[in-house]
Amino acid sequence: AQKVTQAQTEISVVEKEDVTLDCVYETRDTTYYLFWYKQPPSGELVFLIRRNSFDEQNEISGRYSWNFQKSTSSFNFTITASQVVDSAVYFCALDSNSGYALNFGKGTSLLVTP
Amino acid sequence: DAGVIQSPRHEVTEMGQEVTLRCKPISGHNSLFWYRQTMMRGLELLIYFNNNVPIDDSGMPEDRFSAKMPNASFSTLKIQPSEPRDSAVYFCASSLGSSGRGGAQETQYFGPGTRLLVL
Repeated sequence: AQKVTQAQTEISVVEKEDVTLDCVYETRDTTYYLFWYKQPPSGELVFLIRRNSFDEQNEISGRYSWNFQKSTSSFNFTITASQVVDSAVYFCALDSNSGYALNFGKGTSLLVTP
Repeated sequence: DAGVIQSPRHEVTEMGQEVTLRCKPISGHNSLFWYRQTMMRGLELLIYFNNNVPIDDSGMPEDRFSAKMPNASFSTLKIQPSEPRDSAVYFCASSLGSSGRGGAQETQYFGPGTRLLVL
């Protein structure tokens, strides 16, 4: 069975604070892919990052960074110096060779206030 | 480059009416997915096409739902008759999926979604 858990339902921070969104996954596959998507208030799903199970290097893209740790089955997402425009629901997702669908977590709603 | 295009963006209809949602995938992508998003169930895969052929429709709720992909650049999701519990956001996504692997190795890019309300 495959499962993605985003334990944080809602997070509220003040602008310029750093915030980490947690993602824990379960899979029996040795080859799998992890994703983060952003869903702003306008409703679309925006792809942020894709990481395969063989690449545990952390990734940084501007204010965004991702920490992939197979030992703890986690793929956490950090926003540095958060901005109001970062307010959105963020979804972590898992994909593997044994299925077709992206298995999404329930999402974490991030609110950044001025 | 154009992303995934969906129409309509919003649909309000009455129970019993037929609803047709449309999707144009990203050019060159050979995998297409229909997802439904609700508060209760989150994002669920309804059906997956690869090279215009339905590969997995196990997520389609019931016979009232049908999907077609007549060519590589167009897909429809039809609900007939619609019911209030079908109210949700319906997303179409496409990827450079490799045959037999259902796009598991490629990123799925989502359209803006169709927000459906059945009264």
